[in-house]
Amino acid sequence: DAGVTQSPTHLIKTRGQQVTLRCSPKSGHDTVSWYQQALGQGPQFIFQYYEEEERQRGNFPDRFSGHQFPNYSSELNVNALLLGDSALYLCASSGGRQSSYNEQFFGPGTRLTVL
Amino acid sequence: DAKTTQPNSMESNEEEPVHLPCNHSTISGTDYIHWYRQLPSQGPEYVIHGLTSNVNNRMASLAIAEDRKSSTLILHRATLRDAAVYYCIPTSGGYQKVTFGTGTKLQVIP
Repeated sequence: DAGVTQSPTHLIKTRGQQVTLRCSPKSGHDTVSWYQQALGQGPQFIFQYYEEEERQRGNFPDRFSGHQFPNYSSELNVNALLLGDSALYLCASSGGRQSSYNEQFFGPGTRLTVL
Repeated sequence: DAKTTQPNSMESNEEEPVHLPCNHSTISGTDYIHWYRQLPSQGPEYVIHGLTSNVNNRMASLAIAEDRKSSTLILHRATLRDAAVYYCIPTSGGYQKVTFGTGTKLQVIP
């Protein structure tokens, strides 16, 4: 079992550009959550996807959007990048028939740098 | 979301027990208490969770106060691998929106 995988591992963009980050959940999981972690801070919840729908959302602008595919993988899209979007973006998965929704498994993250 | 208060940092000697406190006085009656930890340069890792009763698993124990306004994560024998930032997180039910605070940075001294 590969666990939660994310791609790419690192990414450099310039202000105003758009970026897409990808996440494959742990095998058997059906729920994917995305977090933003600035340097020295705890992760901040962006949103959560279940059954291909956004179920919950944190305090992030509409520039942040996502998608979940039928195979439960997910994408995070950020438009009109700002310098402040530079952070580690974490994906976490949970749930499914043989797993608990109470335990989230996190991927290693994608480090996004906006210049 | 319930607010939490944790010490910014704590130290422990290797192979000694560690008690990590957390205050969550505004927790609602249906919120679970989750603990995650984050080792350097890694994503967070689930440690334990509970609702009202004390809980044990292979990693740690969770002691929850009777009024549920505080909890304590107990590592029975700290190892160097336990050096991490520990997050106490009251979590609403349903789809498990998890809101991390600033956590406690645990340093384990050999």
